[in-house]
Amino acid sequence: KQEVTQIPAALSVPEGENLVLNCSFTDSAIYNLQWFRQDPGKGLTSLLLIQSSQREQTSGRLNASLDKSSGRSTLYIAASQPGDSATYLCASNHFGNEKLTFGTGTRLTIIP
Amino acid sequence: KAGVTQTPRYLIKTRGQQVTLSCSPISGHRSVSWYQQTPGQGLQFLFEYFSETQRNKGNFPGRFSGRQFSNSRSEMNVSTLELGDSALYLCASSLASSGTGNYGYTFGSGTRLTVV
Repeated sequence: KQEVTQIPAALSVPEGENLVLNCSFTDSAIYNLQWFRQDPGKGLTSLLLIQSSQREQTSGRLNASLDKSSGRSTLYIAASQPGDSATYLCASNHFGNEKLTFGTGTRLTIIP
Repeated sequence: KAGVTQTPRYLIKTRGQQVTLSCSPISGHRSVSWYQQTPGQGLQFLFEYFSETQRNKGNFPGRFSGRQFSNSRSEMNVSTLELGDSALYLCASSLASSGTGNYGYTFGSGTRLTVV
């Protein structure tokens, strides 16, 4: 059974800093790894999708990497802004299965 | 391009009642999944439908059911509501066709269900 862990549960950093969010998974036979952000009381916004054949994906100030052998993914946020404050969730799925297994999330606060 | 639309946004129901939630996927997306989000359990997978067929089901009691229509719209039903069913219910759609899980997911804004 896949288990996805995100540490730390909460993180506060000053505006302008670069930061890394971590995601660990127990079953390395994942197919995709997707990062989402969730604002309070809202749905999920997809940030980046890394397919199993890829090692990383980039979108603007965001860069996500995937290392299946070590069971880890990281989300790098450059030059953080107060608007980046949200909960960040990672989720994985396996080949042939549409079910996403989510981590518990990291609540990020950017201090102006 | 319209996103995933969930209705209603908020619901308040009494214990023992039943409720139906609706989800309209992105045009062209035929896979629809449902998730329950609670503070204690996080995001839990309920079920996934493709072409009106349930392909995957999570670990929820039979009170939770769903269906998908020929236009890919999906409904989720919860019967005999319990206080613990209070949660944010999220729907996601995907381009997935053959069940490879090779596509990302787009989520709706969710339906906030409160059971009193």
